[in-house]
Amino acid sequence: GAVVSQHPSRVICKSGTSVKIECRSLDFQATTMFWYRQFPKQSLMLMATSNEGSKATYEQGVEKDKFLINHASLTLSTLTVTSAHPEDSSFYICSAAVDTQYFGPGTRLTVL
Amino acid sequence: QKEVEQNSGPLSVPEGAIASLNCTYSDRGSQSFFWYRQYSGKSPELIMFIYSNGDKEDGRFTAQLNKASQYVSLLIRDSQPSDSATYLCAGGSNFGNEKLTFGTGTRLTIIP
Repeated sequence: GAVVSQHPSRVICKSGTSVKIECRSLDFQATTMFWYRQFPKQSLMLMATSNEGSKATYEQGVEKDKFLINHASLTLSTLTVTSAHPEDSSFYICSAAVDTQYFGPGTRLTVL
Repeated sequence: QKEVEQNSGPLSVPEGAIASLNCTYSDRGSQSFFWYRQYSGKSPELIMFIYSNGDKEDGRFTAQLNKASQYVSLLIRDSQPSDSATYLCAGGSNFGNEKLTFGTGTRLTIIP
């Protein structure tokens, strides 16, 4: 139980394009999902907290207009990186919370 | 500011020995604590969580919590090479469905 999927697992795009990442809880309903970013050899950095049916809460320093989060249902949250630039290249990981946080497998984004 | 501190390591332990990973936290309001294992290039996976003072055992893993000392630890008995990973300690004010504060992780290497 408590399986979380992410799609795509890897994406390479040109600078200026937008990328959408999906996070799904497969066998449970999650009222809260979290989005993290992790740069090489660094720890997880929480970007935002997403609650179903309401606006996401962004951490300080995270641009909400650049990282659009939609939490349309209890099993799906999406992160859209708008007008991506090379400095947005990172490992993006979502988690879905019920009794604790269960992480998706992550999406590796490379912006050329 | 809430902080979770971990020794970054690397911590090297011979195969078959006990690996001891330590974590301290600054927020006395923290109620729940989590240990995640992260292999290189992968997302974190939950190993154990603990809410109450004392020890909690699950197979080869034992989590220990001392709220008076604000100290959490993870013991891994009969260490295996497959235990080599980065271990993340996290604390939360609720039972995991609110945002967690992560430590920077301890890199553990089991030496065959």
